[in-house]
Amino acid sequence: QKEVEQDPGPLSVPEGAIVSLNCTYSNSAFQYFMWYRQYSRKGPELLMYTYSSGNKEDGRFTAQVDKSSKYISLFIRDSQPSDSATYLCATFDTGRRALTFGSGTRLQVQP
Amino acid sequence: GAVVSQHPSRVICKSGTSVKIECRSLDFQATTMFWYRQFPKQSLMLMATSNEGSKATYEQGVEKDKFLINHASLTLSTLTVTSAHPEDSSFYICSARDSGPRRYEQYFGPGTRLTVT
Repeated sequence: QKEVEQDPGPLSVPEGAIVSLNCTYSNSAFQYFMWYRQYSRKGPELLMYTYSSGNKEDGRFTAQVDKSSKYISLFIRDSQPSDSATYLCATFDTGRRALTFGSGTRLQVQP
Repeated sequence: GAVVSQHPSRVICKSGTSVKIECRSLDFQATTMFWYRQFPKQSLMLMATSNEGSKATYEQGVEKDKFLINHASLTLSTLTVTSAHPEDSSFYICSARDSGPRRYEQYFGPGTRLTVT
């Protein structure tokens, strides 16, 4: 079992839709959770990170962590074609002091 | 802030030659830098972790004699792919972690596309 599981998609939505991206993780010791956005042929860009359970909002983006179910979510409101990218969830392993990434979900927002 | 640069962005080399890729943190100090490899439509695979002034820690299955990492300063790490072969063709991405209060945040460079002919 992978430590972080993520549906690879692709996920195609119309412009203006609410997008829900999800990951599950297996190690209950993980405390920090990140979402990265990666455009084609570019390096990942840190979108948000959260500590422990709860929600964090930044503009159209909301990150949610439910540690009881080991579930990580990213919601994008009013999605735009410019949001089309691959979204990677990641957890920070304090033991290894390194990020563990999900496989990434490719999102396409159709104009 | 939190900008990481990589050079070159793209390199084509012949089989058997060596290639050096530079990674720099431009506006922060990074005691720890990471090197990843990414194949098309796949996630990032951590190759090694380098700490300034000490030897890199390689992930299982990564040949340390083939992928030489040097982290000589708080803002610069280099990855040298020695005796490159076509199977080494990939997208190499470095990442740096801020040594300050934001130490759980990790910033990525734009990547280097290596093609070995």
